[in-house]
Amino acid sequence: DTAVSQTPKYLVTQMGNDKSIKCEQNLGHDTMYWYKQDSKKFLKIMFSYNNKELIINETVPNRFSPKSPDKAHLNLHINSLELGDSAVYFCASSQDYRAMAGELFFGEGSRLTVL
Amino acid sequence: KNQVEQSPQSLIILEGKNCTLQCNYTVSPFSNLRWYKQDTGRGPVSLTIMTFSENTKSNGRYTATLDADTKQSSLHITASQLSDSASYICVVSAMNSGGGADGLTFGKGTHLIIQP
Repeated sequence: DTAVSQTPKYLVTQMGNDKSIKCEQNLGHDTMYWYKQDSKKFLKIMFSYNNKELIINETVPNRFSPKSPDKAHLNLHINSLELGDSAVYFCASSQDYRAMAGELFFGEGSRLTVL
Repeated sequence: KNQVEQSPQSLIILEGKNCTLQCNYTVSPFSNLRWYKQDTGRGPVSLTIMTFSENTKSNGRYTATLDADTKQSSLHITASQLSDSASYICVVSAMNSGGGADGLTFGKGTHLIIQP
């Protein structure tokens, strides 16, 4: 059973397009996250949702819009894609938003390539 | 500014040998320190989590140490195997009043290659 699953695993698209990445966790966790890993392999948090509510919104262009229909799902929609959006996007979850206490479980990543 | 520095950036060793990866941090106030293993094309997987009071923690052939006074941690891998080839990421959590993932500071990782 996959704990945190995200789709698609690979996404190649043209500049200016709109795309979505989906994430689901079956761990019963309250909190979900989106991280971006750039070409230098540096992981950086983008968003965090606790029980469907946005609790962290880092300095991310508003072309990126997360949506959490329920606490087991957190999707990421990206409008007007730019070359600099090319990266691997990781979904993660933890028991609750107190990440200092809880363990983070990551998905396998979605590699986005913008041409 | 909270920072996590890892060294070396990359490391190549022969199968069967031991190695030690370093992590220095300036995160304050400190809550806990984690080591993650990230295989190529996969998501990070937790190896250990250590709080302020823990000096050492083992997970199989992986042993992490923590010196909260000098703000240093190391990850020692014993009798390396080909499957240990991966990036190892040090993550330090700050104890902030709001809690949450903004309290996590990630290092850039050490890329380890085990050669047969």
